[in-house]
Amino acid sequence: GAVVSQHPSWVICKSGTSVKIECRSLDFQATTMFWYRQFPKQSLMLMATSNEGSKATYEQGVEKDKFLINHASLTLSTLTVTSAHPEDSSFYICSAAAPSDEQYFGPGTRLTVT
Amino acid sequence: GESVGLHLPTLSVQEGDNSIINCAYSNSASDYFIWYKQESGKGPQFIIDIRSNMDKRQGQRVTVLLNKTVKHLSLQIAATQPGDSAVYFCADLGGGADGLTFGKGTHLIIQP
Repeated sequence: GAVVSQHPSWVICKSGTSVKIECRSLDFQATTMFWYRQFPKQSLMLMATSNEGSKATYEQGVEKDKFLINHASLTLSTLTVTSAHPEDSSFYICSAAAPSDEQYFGPGTRLTVT
Repeated sequence: GESVGLHLPTLSVQEGDNSIINCAYSNSASDYFIWYKQESGKGPQFIIDIRSNMDKRQGQRVTVLLNKTVKHLSLQIAATQPGDSAVYFCADLGGGADGLTFGKGTHLIIQP
């Protein structure tokens, strides 16, 4: 199957700083990528849809100014958590959409804000 | 899938037995359904999918059943193995949405 990578796999940052997470589709082009967030022992919740060359679409309740998404190429989307706070600590997972509708997920990024 | 809760349901089965994991979804417009397996600290791994024009699909050791009338999805795992221990999520797509809606998840535990 197709491979999606994320970088970094984990990151610890101080409260008030910003963190950038990268999502790459390694062997296919994805015009659409998605960002999900998962808190411990909970399910994945869609945060936003990242479209190559256009603005991201955010789900209700997700602050677009706090979670900046850039989809500059067909193989890369980035999520920047700005002014991070401890409540932003979570597992952030991206996926890339294939033409068949199937979504290929990255391995996730564990963010801990201290 | 339905909205999430804080407590992950658990299913405990004996090694070698069959497992059945159930899921309800709420969007009647959903037309594509997927089961994912997630091991601790990792991203979801695709298991099997089914489109709304089907009610059953089989893979290797896995079968997905779809009942659109009651908006119910199930995953059957035959001859469960220790490596099947994980959290299993159903997800659905449709109704104009692009992103997946995930169900609550079920933690499958394999007893030796």
